[in-house]
Amino acid sequence: DVKVTQSSRYLVKRTGEKVFLECVQDMDHENMFWYRQDPGLGLRLIYFSYDVKMKEKGDIPEGYSVSREKKERFSLILESASTNQTSMYLCASSLLLVAEQYFGPGTRLTVT
Amino acid sequence: GQQVMQIPQYQHVQEGEDFTTYCNSSTTLSNIQWYKQRPGGHPVFLIQLVKSGEVKKQKRLTFQFGEAKKNSSLHITATQTTDVGTYFCAGGNTDKLIFGTGTRLQVFP
Repeated sequence: DVKVTQSSRYLVKRTGEKVFLECVQDMDHENMFWYRQDPGLGLRLIYFSYDVKMKEKGDIPEGYSVSREKKERFSLILESASTNQTSMYLCASSLLLVAEQYFGPGTRLTVT
Repeated sequence: GQQVMQIPQYQHVQEGEDFTTYCNSSTTLSNIQWYKQRPGGHPVFLIQLVKSGEVKKQKRLTFQFGEAKKNSSLHITATQTTDVGTYFCAGGNTDKLIFGTGTRLQVFP
């Protein structure tokens, strides 16, 4: 079974803090993704990576950066958290860019 | 840019009633996928359609891909309380999968 894990289910941070969200997959997938999910807005792609050290901006990359130093691990970084980044963050991985995606359980981030 | 719209945004049904959600793309898709997200859970892949006009069934769920490969639907026959959740379509083109906004289904017993 494919497993995608995320470092925290819930996180509370203060405005201006640097925040790291970690995602690990165990299926040797080339592609990994970070989404944020907000009510009524569906899943919005922040960044994705198609290989180690490779990254591409998604639809809403502003205020975020990513790191992929190892194939199984994809990190999302909020350089200076703001209240409008309070959201559910979902990581996913897939074998091909348009193939089935496997999602992690999500991290609910609250920025106060 | 490419968009994938999904309607309705919300649907409340009585248990036993049918339910349909529709997905429309502004461009031709190579494939369409459907996911289900239970309350408090994460999206889970249900199915993928690839061919024009394709119809697939999973028990009470029927999935269709339009002839022009720009739209799709998910129909649930005789809903049950276990069908509660948000259903997402995701349309693929050459190098991207774009998720629709989702339809949240509530089933009243």
